[in-house]
Amino acid sequence: KNQVEQSPQSLIILEGKNCTLQCNYTVSPFSNLRWYKQDTGRGPVSLTIMTFSENTKSNGRYTATLDADTKQSSLHITASQLSDSASYICVVSDRGSTLGRLYFGRGTQLTVWP
Amino acid sequence: EADIYQTPRYLVIGTGKKITLECSQTMGHDKMYWYQQDPGMELHLIHYSYGVNSTEKGDLSSESTVSRIRTEHFPLTLESARPSHTSQYLCASSNVGTSSYEQYFGPGTRLTVT
Repeated sequence: KNQVEQSPQSLIILEGKNCTLQCNYTVSPFSNLRWYKQDTGRGPVSLTIMTFSENTKSNGRYTATLDADTKQSSLHITASQLSDSASYICVVSDRGSTLGRLYFGRGTQLTVWP
Repeated sequence: EADIYQTPRYLVIGTGKKITLECSQTMGHDKMYWYQQDPGMELHLIHYSYGVNSTEKGDLSSESTVSRIRTEHFPLTLESARPSHTSQYLCASSNVGTSSYEQYFGPGTRLTVT
């Protein structure tokens, strides 16, 4: 069964600190993995997308890693800001259909305190 | 920021009412999607469309219906709303020609059925 599991479920950090969010998946055949940021009451916004051959990708203070062998990914946030408070969702796409079906994790709810 | 719009943003209605959630995109994308998301849970695909006059049911069974008469417009209709339909509904679109299958999300409609 294709699944995406994220940990931790929630995380509280102080402003300026770093944090790392984890994602494990069983989706096969694998196409790509994305990290989305979803602010409360808003739609998800893409942060990074990685294919099988990529093992790291950065977007400003966000750095995503991918280990396709162990089917794990992480999202590292550097020097956190209050605006980083949001849900971070790991999404994996398969390549078994023309639709490019997406499998969503439940997200990690990050809260950054001043 | 993605050019995909949803109206209304918030809706509170009584049981038995007919409602239509609007979704429009100005990016010329062929593929469009409707997701349902409950608090703290993953997004579930309920409908999708490959293009004009194409509609398909998603992974999660839904009593809603959709139509795709124009490329830019993908409305979702509930003929008779029930409290179990209370949820957030997210619309998304993607470009068929994009190998990364990047999906762009609208801001969502928060529906409450009393």
